[in-house]
Amino acid sequence: KAGVTQTPRYLIKTRGQQVTLSCSPISGHRSVSWYQQTPGQGLQFLFEYFSETQRNKGNFPGRFSGRQFSNSRSEMNVSTLELGDSALYLCASSLGLRGNTIYFGEGSWLTVV
Amino acid sequence: GESVGLHLPTLSVQEGDNSIINCAYSNSASDYFIWYKQESGKGPQFIIDIRSNMDKRQGQRVTVLLNKTVKHLSLQIAATQPGDSAVYFCAENIGGSQGNLIFGKGTKLSVKP
Repeated sequence: KAGVTQTPRYLIKTRGQQVTLSCSPISGHRSVSWYQQTPGQGLQFLFEYFSETQRNKGNFPGRFSGRQFSNSRSEMNVSTLELGDSALYLCASSLGLRGNTIYFGEGSWLTVV
Repeated sequence: GESVGLHLPTLSVQEGDNSIINCAYSNSASDYFIWYKQESGKGPQFIIDIRSNMDKRQGQRVTVLLNKTVKHLSLQIAATQPGDSAVYFCAENIGGSQGNLIFGKGTKLSVKP
């Protein structure tokens, strides 16, 4: 059974640009969450989608957005990139019910120059 | 603010010894706790979880203990191996918010051969 798949794995963008990251959850999982990991702030929750609806949202500016498709695949977008957006972006999936195990992908490394 | 924290940022143990990684949480509404292992360049890997109606849960070579009275969580690794070297994170899930995990800062475990 394939795990959580994220693409691209590595990317470099320039300040002011926008970026779209993709996540394919484990088959059958309907919940997809996104996290940002940086050395200074650690792992921080961005948002969660369940059945194409945003169910939870963290404390990030509106430049960070996401969506989920009918096949549960998800994308997140960051517009007007800033240097501080350089981070590892992690996607996690689960069945979506309380207490269901949450599995993470390998992440997308974003560097903003 | 309320957050999950760790008592020890680094832990060095001898191969074959038992390891104990501690975590404090402050949100009394948290009812689900998870330990993740993260190796360099990889995403967090699920180790074990525990619900707030339990005090102890065992897995293969790992045991998680939950003390709700003092809001403390610990991960015990038996017969620690070099492959256990990684950063370990505890995470809490607040009731009613399935996909939103609050992570601690992490503890780096180094296993000396």
